[in-house]
Amino acid sequence: GNSVTQMEGPVTLSEEAFLTINCTYTATGYPSLFWYVQYPGEGLQLLLKATKADDKGSNKGFEATYRKETTSFHLEKGSVQVSDSAVYFCALSPNQAGTALIFGKGTTLSVSS
Amino acid sequence: DTAVSQTPKYLVTQMGNDKSIKCEQNLGHDTMYWYKQDSKKFLKIMFSYNNKELIINETVPNRFSPKSPDKAHLNLHINSLELGDSAVYFCASSAQSGTEAFFGQGTRLTVV
Repeated sequence: GNSVTQMEGPVTLSEEAFLTINCTYTATGYPSLFWYVQYPGEGLQLLLKATKADDKGSNKGFEATYRKETTSFHLEKGSVQVSDSAVYFCALSPNQAGTALIFGKGTTLSVSS
Repeated sequence: DTAVSQTPKYLVTQMGNDKSIKCEQNLGHDTMYWYKQDSKKFLKIMFSYNNKELIINETVPNRFSPKSPDKAHLNLHINSLELGDSAVYFCASSAQSGTEAFFGQGTRLTVV
């Protein structure tokens, strides 16, 4: 079956620190992978995506590379800001009819100045 | 222009009441979804419609009934509300089922 596992939070960092949030997946077929972000009191926004192995998604200084050999899609940012404080979700799209996005449990990031 | 909009944003109601949440998307997508987010932020798919046809119906109480009058709208009706129904409910849409989804702002339902 399809599933997503991401690191438990919360993650607490100081401004300008390096961020890594680990995400691994199990899937049949050829899934697409996503990171979504949820700011306090808001809905989910797509942060970045990768649709095939070795693709790198990037947006707003965040990056993640689709690694089929390690079934991973870790989120990284070189220098976090206070405004990055949010909940981050790794998600998998099976790319099959009759399915829906499958989400990890979410990782809360808190950045202090 | 909001791509996926749902109303109301907040809903406070008493146990036993019946309530509805409405969702509309203007992206021209064929597929719409309802997700439930619990107090620990976990997101779980509840229902999905593709061109007005129900294609995903996860294990939820039959007090929850989705309705899709057309492919741009997906409403969620909940009968006999219980305390455990308190959560944030998200509507989403995608061009095709099982692909990248766009989410509404969520409806925070509180049952007292």
